[in-house]
Amino acid sequence: ETGVTQTPRHLVMGMTNKKSLKCEQHLGHNAMYWYKQSAKKPLELMFVYNFKEQTENNSVPSRFSPECPNSSHLFLHLHTLQPEDSALYLCASSPRQGGYGYTFGSGTRLTVV
Amino acid sequence: GESVGLHLPTLSVQEGDNSIINCAYSNSASDYFIWYKQESGKGPQFIIDIRSNMDKRQGQRVTVLLNKTVKHLSLQIAATQPGDSAVYFCAETKPYNQGGKLIFGQGTELSVKP
Repeated sequence: ETGVTQTPRHLVMGMTNKKSLKCEQHLGHNAMYWYKQSAKKPLELMFVYNFKEQTENNSVPSRFSPECPNSSHLFLHLHTLQPEDSALYLCASSPRQGGYGYTFGSGTRLTVV
Repeated sequence: GESVGLHLPTLSVQEGDNSIINCAYSNSASDYFIWYKQESGKGPQFIIDIRSNMDKRQGQRVTVLLNKTVKHLSLQIAATQPGDSAVYFCAETKPYNQGGKLIFGQGTELSVKP
């Protein structure tokens, strides 16, 4: 365990479904991130939250909706996804926004059918 | 555009040999570089980092070299073991006042042959 826990580990959903990914950290970090990892592509930053405030949305389609109720929890709400959204979704946290001290979760493997 | 790239997508080495994984970056303003290891079914795991005011940093069996002149980063793994088999990513970050986010390279898959 890295200290960043993601659930579920695997998710299969239809294009009309609504589901949510959850990320939790108890490292005392104040920044949390969502990354998308597709096969043979670099990790793509999706969203950044710093002290519960969204500070970056990297041109992510609105079918992905993040939520950060507190510094320890981060959600990614999914609705009407496309097959090309199938990927590994990684959550990370760091003491504050920036490149330092990142800890990654193990990810949620999402398959959209 | 800005990018961090790796020269080879795959690398195969014999157990016990040394491995060298290379990375090129494009943003001369980046001040911090990190190597991550990602095993199957897991998220990226920190291996070693280096700041832009350094040329070399050593850890346990790993060494990172930074050549700012040609914007090149490398990871050396000594006496490679089967447990080193994974995908390795380099990442760079700009100073906090320039956005301070990690930019990842494409990754090199290291296979260790027994």
